[in-house]
Amino acid sequence: ILNVEQSPQSLHVQEGDSTNFTCSFPSSNFYALHWYRWETAKSPEALFVMTLNGDEKKKGRISATLNTKEGYSYLYIKGSQPEDSATYLCASKRYGGSQGNLIFGKGTKLSVKP
Amino acid sequence: EAQVTQNPRYLITVTGKKLTVTCSQNMNHEYMSWYRQDPGLGLRQIYYSMNVEVTDKGDVPEGYKVSRKEKRNFPLILESPSPNQTSLYFCASSLSEGRVYEQYFGPGTRLTVT
Repeated sequence: ILNVEQSPQSLHVQEGDSTNFTCSFPSSNFYALHWYRWETAKSPEALFVMTLNGDEKKKGRISATLNTKEGYSYLYIKGSQPEDSATYLCASKRYGGSQGNLIFGKGTKLSVKP
Repeated sequence: EAQVTQNPRYLITVTGKKLTVTCSQNMNHEYMSWYRQDPGLGLRQIYYSMNVEVTDKGDVPEGYKVSRKEKRNFPLILESPSPNQTSLYFCASSLSEGRVYEQYFGPGTRLTVT
């Protein structure tokens, strides 16, 4: 089983702060990298699916970058708001026999104080 | 409304009593998957299906069975539940297992096995 690591495990910021966190994944046989946002008592919702080295994606105040050669992705939130409080999950897919297998990291839990 | 539904949402059962958790999607998605979420361990894939009659093991398949007789349904079967299967279970689907497709998650089923 490949490991997908996320850091930090948790993060507390003030409203208006910008923040970022990291997802590390094995770079060999890279296929795709997913980011999901998971609010308490709800289901995970997709933010981005990234496939190409150097990809940058943006949705409102949230953006993500991808480096498949070194095996990492960054998620940025600009001007955090209390409604951004959630756990952010990344997940990796690899080429090969288990192409349908999506491996998740443990997530970064973000708390934004008003 | 496009959605993934799971039933039941909450279930308390006893060791050894067979149970089925249903999952259904109305988006004509080819790919469906089951995950379990445990504290400190993140989302772990149990089984996935890339199309009707095609299923494959994820990372933690022991103690579970699945079937995919119809495109819309992907039930999770616990033939003889044990306390270590107490967990939060999510069903998810995507258009296909292709690299660019995000997953849509159901609302979750919280299972307690005593």
